[in-house]
Amino acid sequence: DQQVKQNSPSLSVQEGRISILNCDYTNSMFDYFLWYKKYPAEGPTFLISISSIKDKNEDGRFTVFLNKSAKHLSLHIVPSQPGDSAVYFCAASKPGNTPLVFGKGTRLSVIA
Amino acid sequence: KAGVTQTPRYLIKTRGQQVTLSCSPISGHRSVSWYQQTPGQGLQFLFEYFSETQRNKGNFPGRFSGRQFSNSRSEMNVSTLELGDSALYLCASSSEVDQPQHFGDGTRLSIL
Repeated sequence: DQQVKQNSPSLSVQEGRISILNCDYTNSMFDYFLWYKKYPAEGPTFLISISSIKDKNEDGRFTVFLNKSAKHLSLHIVPSQPGDSAVYFCAASKPGNTPLVFGKGTRLSVIA
Repeated sequence: KAGVTQTPRYLIKTRGQQVTLSCSPISGHRSVSWYQQTPGQGLQFLFEYFSETQRNKGNFPGRFSGRQFSNSRSEMNVSTLELGDSALYLCASSSEVDQPQHFGDGTRLSIL
């Protein structure tokens, strides 16, 4: 049973445009959500997080939106740059010291 | 500030052997988690250690074990290796509850 789903395995965006990566979850107990970026032969790099008490969090070009009623979050990257090309993972955890549950990732390609 | 360090980066073993992987967390981080990444299953949680105690455990067989030392460094051990254990093993550390986990670059384990 996949509790965190990233339904788009890949996404192509032109440089300078907005990239929108989506993530759905099924477990209503999740209250902390994160996005990671992963390049080949490297570990995931933390990008941005959001707790369930918020519906938006911004950090530079990256914004995460959380819609608790729809159990949906999205990552917006504006403007997209070729260096953003990577696999993006959405992850979630429940309150307390609980492990991260990851989606299977979305491969973003930013075309110059 | 040094990141999470995992050694070795690559390892080749044969079926039936055992292997030990090492992880040095970010200085000051007391929580260390281990994940397995495979193409089919994605990133799956193995276990988490905090102050030398296993605090959480994922759904993996007993052949997978770990420990944490007083300096927060952690090791994971896999005994009686199987072909299906071929994967990227990632270690992550964090400082507090609901703080992001930061990953190392992983150990790529190949079983022949």
